[in-house]
Amino acid sequence: TQLLEQSPQFLSIQEGENLTVYCNSSSVFSSLQWYRQEPGEGPVLLVTVVTGGEVKKLKRLTFQFGDARKDSSLHITAAQPGDTGLYLCAGGYAGNNRKLIWGLGTSLAVNP
Amino acid sequence: EAGVTQFPSHSVIEKGQTVTLRCDPISGHDNLYWYRRVMGKEIKFLLHFVKESKQDESGMPNNRFLAERTGGTYSTLKVQPAELEDSGVYFCASSQAGSSYNEQFFGPGTRLTVL
Repeated sequence: TQLLEQSPQFLSIQEGENLTVYCNSSSVFSSLQWYRQEPGEGPVLLVTVVTGGEVKKLKRLTFQFGDARKDSSLHITAAQPGDTGLYLCAGGYAGNNRKLIWGLGTSLAVNP
Repeated sequence: EAGVTQFPSHSVIEKGQTVTLRCDPISGHDNLYWYRRVMGKEIKFLLHFVKESKQDESGMPNNRFLAERTGGTYSTLKVQPAELEDSGVYFCASSQAGSSYNEQFFGPGTRLTVL
């Protein structure tokens, strides 16, 4: 049973389009992290959201944490070929339990 | 500042053999984590060290896996004997002590193939 469901699993769009990736769970997390991974490399942290309803912006990327801290979304405006990659969400807990729970990822291809 | 490094980048072994993976965390990071991604599945937690102590090893698949972090610096993950289902990419990550939001920094991974 997967705790974090990401959708869509695959996305192929044209340069300039907007897109949204979703990360949903029935569990409450203390934090939700978004990573981006490129082939042959490890995940690279993009952002951490910790407060229900929180919105964070990173250039053309907008991240939102759901009010109940069970879901999150990543919106990319005017996608560029350089945005191509695997986007992963990971949920974290508070206290000494520091393991991250991962979604399967969304593989994004932005075509020129 | 050097990031998390892992060695080797790839390993191909036969079923029944032994393999040892190494992880060097970011200097000064007390927390070190091992994760594994099996093809078609999500990344899964294996274990967490705080310095040289195992804080949480609830994700270790079975007793064929042995992780160590002597001296609280680099860590090794030994698989003995390896089975076909152990194939996957093994990631190591590290984080600072007291980091509020558990932000972890990942190495490039070791791709293990068991034939």
